[in-house]
Amino acid sequence: GQQLNQSPQSMFIQEGEDVSMNCTSSSIFNTWLWYKQDPGEGPVLLIALYKAGELTSNGRLTAQFGITRKDSFLNISASIPSDVGIYFCAGRSRSGGSNYKLTFGKGTLLTVNP
Amino acid sequence: DVKVTQSSRYLVKRTGEKVFLECVQDMDHENMFWYRQDPGLGLRLIYFSYDVKMKEKGDIPEGYSVSREKKERFSLILESASTNQTSMYLCASSFGGTYGYTFGSGTRLTVV
Repeated sequence: GQQLNQSPQSMFIQEGEDVSMNCTSSSIFNTWLWYKQDPGEGPVLLIALYKAGELTSNGRLTAQFGITRKDSFLNISASIPSDVGIYFCAGRSRSGGSNYKLTFGKGTLLTVNP
Repeated sequence: DVKVTQSSRYLVKRTGEKVFLECVQDMDHENMFWYRQDPGLGLRLIYFSYDVKMKEKGDIPEGYSVSREKKERFSLILESASTNQTSMYLCASSFGGTYGYTFGSGTRLTVV
């Protein structure tokens, strides 16, 4: 099946630093999504991207849908301790008729040192 | 807000038991999904359903079955629990093919 390569696998940063993570695929996606999972909870949607080249912000978070439609990145500016968690990228393509199914990256574990 | 509710946050079951994990959503979503999450392996799709009484296998369906008798409820069944099914189980739902998933809070299952 389709695969998303998400990097880095983990990050350990100091409070106040900026963070960048990305996802790449060999397949084209029509939608990119970024989720955050707090410890012991389910993932929560942060940002959704629907158009190639689209750049969208949500507070200190910014995400972009790559021009090639095969990648996306998420930036977090001025990190704070509550940013800790696992961040997942997810993509949706329209191939095979299963256009309601998402493909997930394996996640980036973010630790913020106060 | 859309809510996806999983019936238990924590479960401990014995090897060989039949286990039911329940998931209910309150926003009339057609699509529902069951994932398991293990460290280093990310989210792996077990089964999904795009309509009442419809189900499709995901990437790791072995040892599991599902039931969707009503639109709002999607149940995951472990026919005979084994220790390698100890995991975090996440239910999700979505509307159509455009929007993202809404996840439940998860059920952490331990099989002893």
